[in-house]
Order: sequence, then structure tokens, then C-alpha cells
Amino acid sequence: ETGVTQSPTHLIKTRGQQVTLRCSSQSGHNTVSWYQQALGQGPQFIFQYYREEENGRGNFPPRFSGLQFPNYSSELNVNALELDDSALYLCASSSGGRGHEDSAFFGQGTRLTVV
Amino acid sequence: EDQVTQSPEALRLQEGESSSLNCSYTVSGLRGLFWYRQDPGKGPEFLFTLYSAGEEKEKERLKATLTKKESFLHITAPKPEDSATYLCAVQARDTGGFKTIFGAGTRLFVKA
Repeated sequence: ETGVTQSPTHLIKTRGQQVTLRCSSQSGHNTVSWYQQALGQGPQFIFQYYREEENGRGNFPPRFSGLQFPNYSSELNVNALELDDSALYLCASSSGGRGHEDSAFFGQGTRLTVV
Repeated sequence: EDQVTQSPEALRLQEGESSSLNCSYTVSGLRGLFWYRQDPGKGPEFLFTLYSAGEEKEKERLKATLTKKESFLHITAPKPEDSATYLCAVQARDTGGFKTIFGAGTRLFVKA
């Protein structure tokens, strides 16, 4: 167990809806990153938060947004869901500091299905 | 364009048959290279971080090395429980911060 908890584990949404995924970081970690992993592919970087500020962003449209809270837990919000958003969404926490993902620990992921 | 390529896509070994997985990368402003293991239906499990060419790290049957263009994950005398997908990722500077790029992974199958 890594200490990183994601909820829910599975989710089914309809195209056009909005979804919020949650991540509870490992104790002592101040950096959280979100990834999208399609079946058979490596994770794709969505964005990273360090001490409540966005610290980096991948090639995802603005309808993918996030928040990091003072207790370093985090949310990923996706608006106007599309069928291609169906994937495993992974959260990773680390304590390496700004832009530094030394020893990042991943949660088990949220499997999102858009129908 | 920043890119991470892993080879082979899949590798089948007999128990005890040592081999290496490759991760080649093209990225500017490299801050670190990471290796992860991922079992089906689970999140990636951190294995190693390498920061500079010439660096090596070991953990049990695994050894990771780094050059300026690629990294290798050497598996010595693998066991069936080493079967998993091995992912390589690089972190690099980007406008406004940093980004992390993963390869597609190498699926390793070790037969008893």
C-alpha cells in the first residue's frame, strides 16, 4: 500500500456530463500529479500541483482542471465529457518539492467510462 | 518534440534468463528519469530515479543505468513474480513549470 487513496475506484458517466475525481496524498507529501492512462498505453501527464499552485501542465484542454487543498489532497475535474476521456486516471504524490518527483507514489486509479 | 520510447514492447523470458529493457528519450532540460513497475489494474509502483549520465541504481534483481540518450533496466535471473509492465518516464522543464512524459511500457512475461 502506498498511502495514496483515490475515489471513486470506478465511475460511469454520460457524454457531456462533468466529473470530479479525488485523491488523498500520502502523509507528508506536498506535490500531486494527475495522469490519464488509456488501455495498453503509458500514463499521460495532465498537470502537477505543488503547495496548492499548478506547477506544470501537459497537452490537455482547459476542460481538465484541478485543485490542491491545504491538506495537500487534490481533485481533478473534467467538464463536457467526451467518449475519448474513458481511461484510468492516476494520482501520484511526492515530497520532492517544486518540479521534483523523486519517489512518487501512485494511487490505484479511478476507472472512468464515458458512454 | 519531447519523446520517450521503450523497447521491446513485450519480452518473454524463462525463469533465470537475464535481459535488459531499453528506454530512449529525446527531451530538453532533463530533470530526472524514473522507472516504475505496473501490475494489471493497479497504479505504477516506483522503482528508481536517475538524475545524471553514468548513474546506476540497484534493487534486488533490478539495476537501472542512465546515459545522455537512454536508460536500461537490467533484470538478473528473473522470477515469475517479476512479470509486469515496466514503465519509463522523464521529467523535463517546460514553460510555466515541468512536465513528465511516460513511455508506453515493456510488458515482461517470465515463465517458470
